[in-house]
Amino acid sequence: DIQLTQSPSFLSASVGDRVTITCRASQGISSYLAWYQQKPGKAPKLLIYAASTLQSGVPSRFSGSGSGTEFTLTISSLQPEDFATYYCQQLNSFGGGTKVEIK
Amino acid sequence: EVQLVESGGGLVKPGGSLRLSCAASGFTFSSYSMNWVRQAPGKGLEWVSSISSSSSYIYYADSVKGRFTISRDNAKNSLYLQMNSLRAEDTAVYYCARGLTLGGVDPWGQGTLVTVSS
Repeated sequence: DIQLTQSPSFLSASVGDRVTITCRASQGISSYLAWYQQKPGKAPKLLIYAASTLQSGVPSRFSGSGSGTEFTLTISSLQPEDFATYYCQQLNSFGGGTKVEIK
Repeated sequence: EVQLVESGGGLVKPGGSLRLSCAASGFTFSSYSMNWVRQAPGKGLEWVSSISSSSSYIYYADSVKGRFTISRDNAKNSLYLQMNSLRAEDTAVYYCARGLTLGGVDPWGQGTLVTVSS
């Protein structure tokens, strides 16, 4: 089975900061990677699929890149509503999550 | 509006059984694969099971293989998860989610809580 490793697992940032989260796969997965945002008590929300395609309705400050085994989610300018936990996913595997908190 | 609504969660004793349901609306249910994903309290997301649009392909996480059974009824726009031999570690919120062709799942239901405890 493919393992996904996210880093960091926790980050503290300020409004307006540029934030980058990395997801590494244990073997090549082409571009079949998705990113989700989850807020406490809520279901996850799809942000990015196919590694770099922005889901409809998601703000353009979110972007995804990468292929093969290394992928990144970038938030260009962190907004108050972006403080949440982020997960990457490939088919039957999720990363461990990255919690983004206010500095 | 595309919507998924789970039901069937609750408190069950170890070794017991439970059947979760997911009612779909707002899209052509029979054209999409479907998934169950769970989240234990305070933990991350764990994929549980997937089923293709026509039920031809079914996959399970090793942690539930042999105990859980996924199924669907396209005529009723419904997805199911039969959970047998439940363990304390199966305690989680269970979400159903629609599969996308290029990967990822969307949308997700609101989740249903399953608690396995004596």
